[in-house]
Amino acid sequence: AQSVTQLGSHVSVSEGALVLLRCNYSSSVPPYLFWYVQYPNQGLQLLLKYTTGATLVKGINGFEAEFKKSETSFHLTKPSAHMSDAAEYFCAVSSNSNSGYALNFGKGTSLLVTP
Amino acid sequence: KAGVTQTPRYLIKTRGQQVTLSCSPISGHRSVSWYQQTPGQGLQFLFEYFSETQRNKGNFPGRFSGRQFSNSRSEMNVSTLELGDSALYLCASSLDGQGRYGYTFGSGTRLTVV
Repeated sequence: AQSVTQLGSHVSVSEGALVLLRCNYSSSVPPYLFWYVQYPNQGLQLLLKYTTGATLVKGINGFEAEFKKSETSFHLTKPSAHMSDAAEYFCAVSSNSNSGYALNFGKGTSLLVTP
Repeated sequence: KAGVTQTPRYLIKTRGQQVTLSCSPISGHRSVSWYQQTPGQGLQFLFEYFSETQRNKGNFPGRFSGRQFSNSRSEMNVSTLELGDSALYLCASSLDGQGRYGYTFGSGTRLTVV
């Protein structure tokens, strides 16, 4: 089964600093990988996804992620944090079981942005 | 283009009751999947429907069930509610359910069991 590990349940950065949220996955087949953001009392909003092609993926709000097959990683970065980036971030892999597809999520990383 | 609509947004039920949640996907999307989100267990997959057929099911008891209608709208039902069923229930809409085109989530239904 495919799985996702997000390193660091809480990450704190200063406004204007680099944001780096780590995600490693396990998969026996080429995966589809996703980053979602969740604000309090809301659903999940897609930041970016990797399916095929270019390994550096650009998403919304200045976020990007790089798919590194050799490291089985899909880390999320943003050059300069804004206060509005404070939220919960989830990495997910689309798994293909024998009976169908499902998203497997990491435990999430709570991003705190300090002034 | 309308997003994914989940109703109701909030729900309070008593132990032992049953509940039905609704999800209307994006127009043209044929796949609807459901997830349960709790602080302890995180986001867990419940089931996925495509063209009215359940294609995949997560590791949840039989009290959790669902269905999809011909217009792709989906409902999930939880019978004999337990306190542990309190959670945010999210549905995700997808063109094919395989992830290639991504998944769009609704705002969720917050279920509280008392």
